[in-house]
Amino acid sequence: EAQVTQNPRYLITVTGKKLTVTCSQNMNHEYMSWYRQDPGLGLRQIYYSMNVEVTDKGDVPEGYKVSRKEKRNFPLILESPSPNQTSLYFCASKGPHGNQPQHFGDGTRLSIL
Amino acid sequence: AQSVTQPDIHITVSEGASLELRCNYSYGATPYLFWYVQSPGQGLQLLLKYFSGDTLVQGIKGFEAEFKRSQSSFNLRKPSVHWSDAAEYFCAVGAFGNEKLTFGTGTRLTIIP
Repeated sequence: EAQVTQNPRYLITVTGKKLTVTCSQNMNHEYMSWYRQDPGLGLRQIYYSMNVEVTDKGDVPEGYKVSRKEKRNFPLILESPSPNQTSLYFCASKGPHGNQPQHFGDGTRLSIL
Repeated sequence: AQSVTQPDIHITVSEGASLELRCNYSYGATPYLFWYVQSPGQGLQLLLKYFSGDTLVQGIKGFEAEFKRSQSSFNLRKPSVHWSDAAEYFCAVGAFGNEKLTFGTGTRLTIIP
């Protein structure tokens, strides 16, 4: 089954403790992206990657890092999490053509205390 | 830069009644347009998409949307809603080959018996 898998699904942690949210897709997609969803703001793009070793900032990249060492994986790294990064995070992937939609994972709910 | 406006934060509809969710976009070229649905605790599921051609597009679950270039709108419709349609609905516009996806703030749909 084609899917985007995120882990963990839920995480409560404390300010300053580094964390990584993993994202993996099994569709051999070149493009992957991270979004955060906040009430009243919809989804906002954090980072995206057009292919292995190619990443770029989205609309809200501050406080986040990403890497793309393999095509299937696109982890989101919070080096020093802060409470304002408490949010629902989604990973997405899509194929190479413009008319292909993005496929989303089930989300990761992060709470930073 | 592109943008999306969903003017209705919350809509309540009786089961069996018709539904229209509004979406207005801003983009300088022909946009890629999407509607996604998010059920509680779930990721985003693609309802339908528009890239070109016929301006009335059919999606899953009995939904349809009409692209109106003159009004910069892409409203979602369903002739008769079911209780299972209760969810949050997001309109999105894609640019640059759909790598840059901008979401609206969402419309929460409540269905009453």
